[in-house]
Amino acid sequence: KQEVTQIPAALSVPEGENLVLNCSFTDSAIYNLQWFRQDPGKGLTSLLLIQSSQREQTSGRLNASLDKSSGRSTLYIAASQPGDSATYLCAVRPETGNQFYFGTGTSLTVIP
Amino acid sequence: NAGVMQNPRHLVRRRGQEARLRCSPMKGHSHVYWYRQLPEEGLKFMVYLQKENIIDESGMPKERFSAEFPKEGPSILRIQQVVRGDSAAYFCASSITGTQGGYTFGSGTRLTVV
Repeated sequence: KQEVTQIPAALSVPEGENLVLNCSFTDSAIYNLQWFRQDPGKGLTSLLLIQSSQREQTSGRLNASLDKSSGRSTLYIAASQPGDSATYLCAVRPETGNQFYFGTGTSLTVIP
Repeated sequence: NAGVMQNPRHLVRRRGQEARLRCSPMKGHSHVYWYRQLPEEGLKFMVYLQKENIIDESGMPKERFSAEFPKEGPSILRIQQVVRGDSAAYFCASSITGTQGGYTFGSGTRLTVV
């Protein structure tokens, strides 16, 4: 069974810093990996989707990388802003099966 | 182009009552997934449906829970005889394809059982 771990569980940084969130998964036979953002009491907003054949995806200040063989993905946020404060979730879609497996998230606070 | 619509946003039920949660997928999406998020826990898969078919219900509790996605209308997650442990956020997601694409999530229904 796929296990997804996100480290750290919580992170607090001053505004303007670059930061990296980590996601690891136990089974490298994945179809794709998706990063989401969840604001308190709200739904999930998709940030980036990386197919298993890709190494990275970029959107604005966000860059996600994927090392499938080692079971790792990182989400890099450049020049962080207070509006980036949220919980960031990593989700992995195995090659077989119908579901995404989610990590428990990293709670990010960007201090003005 | 509306996203995934879930209603109600908040639902309060007394123990023993029924809860009905609705999800309308994005236009053009025919694959619907339900997930549950318990307090301080990650999202857990419940069920995957296509129009008129349950494809995978491996994450659904065997009793009291059921789901449907009729030919017309929204997908419904139904919880009978609710208990306190059912209190959670229930999220619906939809996708264009069942494999290649990512998910688009709704804003969720927060169920509180009193």
